[in-house]
Amino acid sequence: SQQGEEDPQALSIQEGENATMNCSYKTSINNLQWYRQNSGRGLVHLILIRSNEREKHSGRLRVTLDTSKKSSSLLITASRAADTASYFCATVLSGSARQLTFGSGTQLTVLP
Amino acid sequence: KAGVTQTPRYLIKTRGQQVTLSCSPISGHRSVSWYQQTPGQGLQFLFEYFSETQRNKGNFPGRFSGRQFSNSRSEMNVSTLELGDSALYLCASSLGRGARNEQFFGPGTRLTVL
Repeated sequence: SQQGEEDPQALSIQEGENATMNCSYKTSINNLQWYRQNSGRGLVHLILIRSNEREKHSGRLRVTLDTSKKSSSLLITASRAADTASYFCATVLSGSARQLTFGSGTQLTVLP
Repeated sequence: KAGVTQTPRYLIKTRGQQVTLSCSPISGHRSVSWYQQTPGQGLQFLFEYFSETQRNKGNFPGRFSGRQFSNSRSEMNVSTLELGDSALYLCASSLGRGARNEQFFGPGTRLTVL
């Protein structure tokens, strides 16, 4: 079963705009990670945020985590056509050292 | 460092057959996890191996099995294939230490069961 639900399921924006994706989960977590997947290929790790962190940045990516609401968001600023991909959040549950439980994913399309 | 490699990249099998998929982790990584991705069920955890021992197992039938060798390479086996086993099978490796748990994924093996 999937731990997380992502919102929206699909997002289409123009190049240069910002894209925001949200993820909700159900149980206590050790950390939450975001991954990108291009068209049925392998997953690329984007960023990890620990349960005691509230915000993290990496280049054009900004991730927030609200453990009281059991939710996270991924913001991609100044999007590019190359950002077109599926984005997944994945949680590592407390006491589950390496098992990732994935959300349903958001399909992002960035139009040139 | 070379990334995670998976072989073969594509497989076509028929119902009832069995299949073995292989995963070579990043050098120095001792943890290998396997995931199944289908359009209907999304990404689901199959199992994880660390130091040749299965550490965690997802909710899959016993037809799905795996093992890890002393060089950390891992194989997963699916016996008596069913149409519903058609999926992208992804393997991920990690150092397996500490709380970071960053996992690096391979390109996947696309299995089609006819």
